[in-house]
Amino acid sequence: AQSVTQLGSHVSVSEGALVLLRCNYSSSVPPYLFWYVQYPNQGLQLLLKYTSAATLVKGINGFEAEFKKSETSFHLTKPSAHMSDAAEYFCAVSISGGSNYKLTFGKGTLLTVNP
Amino acid sequence: NAGVTQTPKFQVLKTGQSMTLQCAQDMNHEYMSWYRQDPGMGLRLIHYSVGAGITDQGEVPNGYNVSRSTTEDFPLRLLSAAPSQTSVYFCASSPAGQWFHFGDGTRLSIL
Repeated sequence: AQSVTQLGSHVSVSEGALVLLRCNYSSSVPPYLFWYVQYPNQGLQLLLKYTSAATLVKGINGFEAEFKKSETSFHLTKPSAHMSDAAEYFCAVSISGGSNYKLTFGKGTLLTVNP
Repeated sequence: NAGVTQTPKFQVLKTGQSMTLQCAQDMNHEYMSWYRQDPGMGLRLIHYSVGAGITDQGEVPNGYNVSRSTTEDFPLRLLSAAPSQTSVYFCASSPAGQWFHFGDGTRLSIL
């Protein structure tokens, strides 16, 4: 079984400050890991994914995440927050390879960006 | 290229009514899934399919049925709606070994 824990249901930062959203996973097999973003009243958009290639993954809108197997973590960062980054962020895990038919999500982190 | 299309976008039902949420994808993806999103709960898997004619239960399947007669379509049926099924429902599709594409969701209220 797989699980995801997102630390902090709500994170607030100032515009221009570092964004750090934390995600820890549990998986008995090598995982695929994902970060999705959801803007109000919209669906989920893929920010970035780890699929067992490079451990530092760059995504859209200046976000990146680092897969750390020893810490079972996949934290999401952005050096400088923008007002448009305000949204809910979800970390998700699946089994690697062709059996990735089930995604398990964390409970989400709501990011607020203050002017 | 429409991606994953969900209909309707909004629906209000009375307790005990039945309905079908539609999901269609035009990317020839093998995998399709239904999730429900509730505040503070993230997204939870209801049912999933790994190909036409093959479905299985996810984490919260009770009260829902699915079928997959074609690669493109994966409808979700509520047999007898209950207030606990008030939620936002998302359909998603993926080619094997890749990432999931999500629809825009169906917001369902059960009175």
